[in-house]
Amino acid sequence: AQKITQTQPGMFVQEKEAVTLDCTYDTSDPSYGLFWYKQPSSGEMIFLIYQGSYDQQNATEGRYSLNFQKARKSANLVISASQLGDSAMYFCAMREHTGRRALTFGSGTRLQVQP
Amino acid sequence: GAGVSQSPSNKVTEKGKDVELRCDPISGHTALYWYRQSLGQGLEFLIYFQGNSAPDKSGLPSDRFSAERTGGSVSTLTIQRTQQEDSAVYLCASSSVSGSSYEQYFGPGTRLTVT
Repeated sequence: AQKITQTQPGMFVQEKEAVTLDCTYDTSDPSYGLFWYKQPSSGEMIFLIYQGSYDQQNATEGRYSLNFQKARKSANLVISASQLGDSAMYFCAMREHTGRRALTFGSGTRLQVQP
Repeated sequence: GAGVSQSPSNKVTEKGKDVELRCDPISGHTALYWYRQSLGQGLEFLIYFQGNSAPDKSGLPSDRFSAERTGGSVSTLTIQRTQQEDSAVYLCASSSVSGSSYEQYFGPGTRLTVT
């Protein structure tokens, strides 16, 4: 069963506007972590933001925030004030704290920021 | 400090040949992961090393794939009798196991092409 679902293969956003990238997950582990990574065309994987399942507040890192809705099992990434350099693939990932410690990734969303 | 390094950056090999891919993790990181990314896809977990524990090999796609980690540092992923479907980018990541996020830092990857 797919554990991380990203339903938006591609998204467009105008420069300086905000954009939300969707991510839903499935786990029976009560303790887990959710991650977002950015992969520009150069191929490197860049860590953006982390949310723990027991964190009371939504994570924020600069222009990135994570809209964590635990009951709905969603962990959407919000990018505010989009910049041209934000154009990239974005991957949502989950790590369960029991069992496998590696990340399970979604299929990604390609974001294109338009001037 | 130095990040995760991988070599070679590109490898072209003929079907049936063996290849070795190398990963040098961040100094002090005890956890090391190998992932595979096929064209336009998300990352697929292959194998996970943590300290002196037995590795989690549950993601290896066949017995042609093996990996070792010497001295708790450098890791080598070996693919025997390569097939065209092995063509992908192979990414290595490392993480500390202190703190709560276990954030993984990725190397630049090795692009493997099997002809």
